[in-house]
Amino acid sequence: GQQVMQIPQYQHVQEGEDFTTYCNSSTTLSNIQWYKQRPGGHPVFLIQLVKSGEVKKQKRLTFQFGEAKKNSSLHITATQTTDVGTYFCAPRGEYGNKLVFGAGTILRVKS
Amino acid sequence: DTGVSQDPRHKITKRGQNVTFRCDPISEHNRLYWYRQTLGQGPEFLTYFQNEAQLEKSRLLSDRFSAERPKGSFSTLEIQRTEQGDSAMYLCASSSTRGWSEQYFGPGTRLTVT
Repeated sequence: GQQVMQIPQYQHVQEGEDFTTYCNSSTTLSNIQWYKQRPGGHPVFLIQLVKSGEVKKQKRLTFQFGEAKKNSSLHITATQTTDVGTYFCAPRGEYGNKLVFGAGTILRVKS
Repeated sequence: DTGVSQDPRHKITKRGQNVTFRCDPISEHNRLYWYRQTLGQGPEFLTYFQNEAQLEKSRLLSDRFSAERPKGSFSTLEIQRTEQGDSAMYLCASSSTRGWSEQYFGPGTRLTVT
């Protein structure tokens, strides 16, 4: 079945540093969604990427979809303590509308 | 509050007991999903409804698990003869049928099987 690998599993940064998490698939993805889950919370939708090479920005967050639609990345510029949480990529499943979540990247920010 | 709600938020049960969870989706959403999440992992898909029809069910889902959405609104997830391995957070999400619509998650029901 469709699976994605996320790297790194965990990153601890100093406040103000940048952060990037990568999502890689062995198969071509039709689209990919990104979610953030705060400690003790539930996943919250951030963005959806559909087109090859697509880049979308939300304030300090930049999302990218690879040209081959097999990988995606999320970059956070100048992290803040409010960025703490687990970031998941989730391509839409091969059949139907379910999401196939990666294992996530845990971000911790030292102030 | 017009978000997804789940009840109960926490459930502690003894092994072998049956449990039932409820999910109320966002009212205008006709797609409803159940996921299970264990510590350190991403949510794992269990099953999905469009209106009252259960359109997909994970092959990993044991026959002890059953879900319903009888009127196309709220949904229930029942686990029969619970096992310790069923301990997890059970998340419900809903979405509209528009294109690749994002999913809105509820707060989850944390199940502990002792």
